[in-house]
Amino acid sequence: QKEVEQNSGPLSVPEGAIASLNCTYSDRGSQSFFWYRQYSGKSPELIMSIYSNGDKEDGRFTAQLNKASQYVSLLIRDSQPSDSATYLCAVTSGGYNKLIFGAGTRLAVHP
Amino acid sequence: EPEVTQTPSHQVTQMGQEVILRCVPISNHLYFYWYRQILGQKVEFLVSFYNNEISEKSEIFDDQFSVERPDGSNFTLKIRSTKLEDSAMYFCASTQTGDYGYTFGSGTRLTVV
Repeated sequence: QKEVEQNSGPLSVPEGAIASLNCTYSDRGSQSFFWYRQYSGKSPELIMSIYSNGDKEDGRFTAQLNKASQYVSLLIRDSQPSDSATYLCAVTSGGYNKLIFGAGTRLAVHP
Repeated sequence: EPEVTQTPSHQVTQMGQEVILRCVPISNHLYFYWYRQILGQKVEFLVSFYNNEISEKSEIFDDQFSVERPDGSNFTLKIRSTKLEDSAMYFCASTQTGDYGYTFGSGTRLTVV
């Protein structure tokens, strides 16, 4: 059974701080890795994708991938209260690239 | 920005009834998916659809479930005889190539009573 593991949180950070979210996955064949943000009662919203080892930056977000360690992370710089949400790590599995999701980490950014 | 549209946003149905959840994927997308999320739990894969046929399905997607792309634009999920445990948010998603992140629809909240 392919698994994606995340700490459920809540991760509480002050406004302006860096939030660090982590994820491990079990399927060594996974090729694509994603971070989704999900507000309560809403659908997942794609915020970052990463396909090769190393870092990928997009605005305040940086995704990091280490395939040897089967580890993906997301850094959010200058965290804002509007970043408060659940962050879902997802990895592709299988030939038609279904996504396997982690349970999500709840992030709370307090003023 | 193109969107994946799902209807209805909320459906309440009696146990044993059939429901059809509807989705309009982004027009040039080729891969279509249904996922569900039971309240407080993970987003779970149900089924993928490519080239007008099911390409993969999960253990959840049993004989009570079916999918169709009846007219080249709509993509539907049918549950033949709903159970209480089918209560969940159902998300449709699509992607152009299968290699990149999906666009999810806003979801249908299904409540079986």
